[in-house]
Amino acid sequence: EVHLLVSGGGLVQPGGSLRLSCAASGFTFSSYAMNWVRQAPGKGLEWVSTISGSGGSTYYADSVKGRFTISRDNSKNTLYLQMNSLRAEDTAVYYCAKEQRLVYGSGSVFSPYFDKWGQGTLVTVSS
Amino acid sequence: DIQMTQSPSSLSASVGDSVTIACRASQSISSHLNWYQQKPGKAPKVLIYAASSLQSGVPSRFSGSRSGTDFTLTISSLQPEDFATYYCQQSYITPYTFGQGTKLEIK
Repeated sequence: EVHLLVSGGGLVQPGGSLRLSCAASGFTFSSYAMNWVRQAPGKGLEWVSTISGSGGSTYYADSVKGRFTISRDNSKNTLYLQMNSLRAEDTAVYYCAKEQRLVYGSGSVFSPYFDKWGQGTLVTVSS
Repeated sequence: DIQMTQSPSSLSASVGDSVTIACRASQSISSHLNWYQQKPGKAPKVLIYAASSLQSGVPSRFSGSRSGTDFTLTISSLQPEDFATYYCQQSYITPYTFGQGTKLEIK
């Protein structure tokens, strides 16, 4: 059974740093891209970042580019999100999500979706 | 960035009703559109991927369709456990934008 356990959230002052972790089990971690998605209190979902299975490709939302870094350690089956220069607007529940892909068109086209999610961890940026 | 516009933002319905939630993309995304259900305090759960493919384990009363850049999620014969918030998401290109959500409430 796939399991994603998110940890590392908490209260941090503006300008501070925090590192989130997402420990994965139940699947071949290195074979799947992984994502971070966040949700501010009472608000909708916001995609934050994606990393390829090998870790060689990363993508970021403009709102976090240059401040957040996604990484993974495939030997430890763990995904990370290093968050620096935190702002009040970064306050949110952060989820990690495993990316599945529907492959079609003789393998030339794929359609990603997030098939498994961690439980989320709350990050509060406040003085 | 691709904007995803969901409607309505909220919806009241009764058990047994059929409801439709709409999502429009600001540009072509082919069929790279996913639907998620989220209950309070819980992580989202995928219902439909690639516009119309039903995720394993999801009841068949959930269905998705596409017409150009317009997508719909239909829930037929609502059950008590279906009252939740629903989000569409485009996965055509990063940033993988979500719609603003539709809260489905019991009438």
